[in-house]
Amino acid sequence: DVKVTQSSRYLVKRTGEKVFLECVQDMDHENMFWYRQDPGLGLRLIYFSYDVKMKEKGDIPEGYSVSREKKERFSLILESASTNQTSMYLCASSLFGVGQGYGYTFGSGTRLTVV
Amino acid sequence: DQQVKQNSPSLSVQEGRISILNCDYTNSMFDYFLWYKKYPAEGPTFLISISSIKDKNEDGRFTVFLNKSAKHLSLHIVPSQPGDSAVYFCAALAYSGAGSYQLTFGKGTKLSVIP
Repeated sequence: DVKVTQSSRYLVKRTGEKVFLECVQDMDHENMFWYRQDPGLGLRLIYFSYDVKMKEKGDIPEGYSVSREKKERFSLILESASTNQTSMYLCASSLFGVGQGYGYTFGSGTRLTVV
Repeated sequence: DQQVKQNSPSLSVQEGRISILNCDYTNSMFDYFLWYKKYPAEGPTFLISISSIKDKNEDGRFTVFLNKSAKHLSLHIVPSQPGDSAVYFCAALAYSGAGSYQLTFGKGTKLSVIP
C-alpha cells in the first residue's frame, strides 16, 4: 500500500513564525500536492509538483511556498504564519500521467493552529 | 467558478435506510469521477470511482451513478450504517497538461447516520 506520511498530526505556532510542514511518500509517485481543508470550503489546492524541483501554484498559494528537493518529499512552508492559516493541511501523491482508480493517496493531515 | 459542486453541506439518514449524496460538474473534459470519505482528524480515503464511459459502478453497499448528459453523479449507500458518518467529497479527474492529471474536489457533504 502507498503510504503518505505527514510529520506532525498537530502543531501550534505563533503569528509571524516560519512553519515547515513535511510530507513523505514511499511509492515513487511523481505527483505531490498540498491542500488545506476548512469547514464549508472543502479541499483547496495550495501547491503541487509533478517532478523534483518543479512546483506549480494551486488555487490559494498566497502566503505559502513549497520545496521538492527529492522525489519522495514535498514540504510546505508558511513564510510568516498568520491566524487565517489555522487549518487542516493535507498532503497527497499520485502516479504521473495515469488516472488511477484511486486518484490520490492522502496523508493523515496536520492540524495547524496559529495563535 | 466551482467546477464540481456538492450542493448539500449535510445529510442525516436513519440507520438501515438509503443515503444519496449528489454531485454536479460543469467541465465536460472531466473523464473520471471519484468519491472520497473523510473522518475528522484523518486524511480522505478513496471510496469508489467511475469512468465517464460507464453509468454505474457498484462495490458492496456503495454504488455510484453517472448521468453524463446532465453532468450529475450520485453516491448511494445501502443500507446506511453509523460508521458511514463522515464527510464525503466528490472529485473529478481531467488531464491538466504537463502529461499529468489533476483532481478537482467538491466542498463535501457531511453524512450523519442516526442509529
